[in-house]
Amino acid sequence: NAGVTQTPKFQVLKTGQSMTLQCAQDMNHNSMYWYRQDPGMGLRLIYYSASEGTTDKGEVPNGYNVSRLNKREFSLRLESAAPSQTSVYFCASSESGAEREKLFFGSGTQLSVL
Amino acid sequence: AQTVTQSQPEMSVQEAETVTLSCTYDTSENNYYLFWYKQPPSRQMILVIRQEAYKQQNATENRFSVNFQKAAKSFSLKISDSQLGDTAMYFCAFALVGSNYKLTFGKGTLLTVNP
Repeated sequence: NAGVTQTPKFQVLKTGQSMTLQCAQDMNHNSMYWYRQDPGMGLRLIYYSASEGTTDKGEVPNGYNVSRLNKREFSLRLESAAPSQTSVYFCASSESGAEREKLFFGSGTQLSVL
Repeated sequence: AQTVTQSQPEMSVQEAETVTLSCTYDTSENNYYLFWYKQPPSRQMILVIRQEAYKQQNATENRFSVNFQKAAKSFSLKISDSQLGDTAMYFCAFALVGSNYKLTFGKGTLLTVNP
């Protein structure tokens, strides 16, 4: 029972490099999310996907792109990484995106941009 | 826009005692959910408790309970019989009903339970 799986768990990039964070869920959920967590801050929503084939911007989308490849997978891409993108990234999913349900989180990706 | 404020960056409590974490929020909307999440050193985000704004009764989950004061826009978390495993960051969060689970988080309170 894996739940929400994120890869990699840790990554170090140089400014200007690109990379994709992968997220997959095995619970047949429709809705998926990407959040970032900065020191001394709570989580902030980057992008979310209410269903396969749809994506929408959250609170802090600048510098990121997402792809909902299929129902299981939702990836987050940094095209040209900046030090301000140093953060812990969390992927999450829920069955329908309704707040009365439970939101399932992955274990996070620690990203450092030098 | 909604905001969530946690005014206590750090707190500590002795094992078996009771501690209350504070949270206030600001919104002009009437239908929303409030949450407390726990983040232990493992970094995993764990839902502790959830409150629907339309419910007057305070939510409880075993040793965890909330004091929801809608008029005051206050949502505090009480942890009874504190255990060492309760040591974690605790985040208060807000979501409008129908917002597709777009959570607004507070900055968190680091709770340390001392033996």
